[in-house]
Formats: sequence, structure tokens, C-alpha cells
Amino acid sequence: EDQVTQSPEALRLQEGESSSLNCSYTVSGLRGLFWYRQDPGKGPEFLFTLYSAGEEKEKERLKATLTKKESFLHITAPKPEDSATYLCAVITGGGNKLTFGTGTQLKVEL
Amino acid sequence: KAGVTQTPRYLIKTRGQQVTLSCSPISGHRSVSWYQQTPGQGLQFLFEYFSETQRNKGNFPGRFSGRQFSNSRSEMNVSTLELGDSALYLCASSLAGQGASGANVLTFGAGSRLTVL
Repeated sequence: EDQVTQSPEALRLQEGESSSLNCSYTVSGLRGLFWYRQDPGKGPEFLFTLYSAGEEKEKERLKATLTKKESFLHITAPKPEDSATYLCAVITGGGNKLTFGTGTQLKVEL
Repeated sequence: KAGVTQTPRYLIKTRGQQVTLSCSPISGHRSVSWYQQTPGQGLQFLFEYFSETQRNKGNFPGRFSGRQFSNSRSEMNVSTLELGDSALYLCASSLAGQGASGANVLTFGAGSRLTVL
């Protein structure tokens, strides 16, 4: 059974204080790893898809990387608007079934 | 471009009742998936429909069912509601058929928040 573990569960940063979120996974036949952002009362919003070890993707202050066992979401010089829950998910097998981690709740303070 | 639309956004039911939730995917998307989100369990996969056929199913009891119509709109039904069914039910749509590289991005709706009393 596919397993996804995210750490830390919660993270509090000062504005401008860079950090990384971790997503470790145990799966057979990884087809892709996804990062989503979820704001309170809303559905998850897509950020990145990574398909193979060594791949990296960037968007504004966010950078996602992938190894054979884990993925990192690096946040550089975060702003309060980056506060949200960040979700990691993997897709294996056929179809579009995602297995999610429980998320990291990020709060960025002034 | 309209996103994924879920109705109703909020609803309150009592134990033993049944509920039907609706999802309209992004135009052109043929895959629709349903997830249950609770504080304790996070996001858990319920089922996926593609071209009116259930393609994947999660580990939920038979009280949870779904269907997809020819216009790709989908509904899910929960019968004999229990207190533990209180959750945010999320629908996601995707362009992808099976195995389409780079096309498995799921776009989520805002969800239907179900409270069972």
C-alpha cells in the first residue's frame, strides 16, 4: 500500500525566513508526485508535478525537488500570503488516484 | 474558464439520512474523482470515474457510491449517514485518460461540507 508522510506537521516562520517542507513516500511504481496548496475553506490548488528523481520545478518563491524516496518544497523568503497547508500526493498504477500526505500547515508572520 | 463546481457547498443532515453531492468538471475534462477530507484522516480517495465508468475505488463502505453522466458531470451518494461521515467532500477533474504523461493534474473544486448530526 502506498504511503506518504509529510513533516513537519506545522511550521511557523518569520517573513523572509527560508525553510523546507518534507514529503517522504513508499510506493511501487511512482508515476508522479504532486504538491498542492490549500487555504482554509477552499479546495487544494495545484502547484507542481514531478515525475522522476532529480527533477526540479520552481514557481515564484517555491521550488520542488524529487529523489527516489522523498520530495522537498523549498520556500525562499516567504511572505504572509504563503501561509496555507501544503499537501503532497503520489500517483501510482492506472487512472488518477492520488494518495495524499496529511499536510504541513505553514504560517508566515510579519 | 470555469473551474470545478460543487453543489451544495454546505449541508446538514441527521444520522440515517442520505445525501447526494454534485460535481461539474472543467469543460473537456472526462475524469472525475472524489475525495473525503477530515481533520484526522486528511484527504482520502473515494472513487474515480472516466467516461461514465468507475475506474478506481478507495476503501470506503458500500454506503458511498457515485456515478458519472454522459456530459462528465458526476454525483456521489452517501446512504444511511453516520456521524463519522461529517467531512469536506472534494471533487477533482482531469483531462487525462489512463497513462497520459504530464496530463494527470487534478483540479479541485471548493468542496461540499457535510455535517451529520
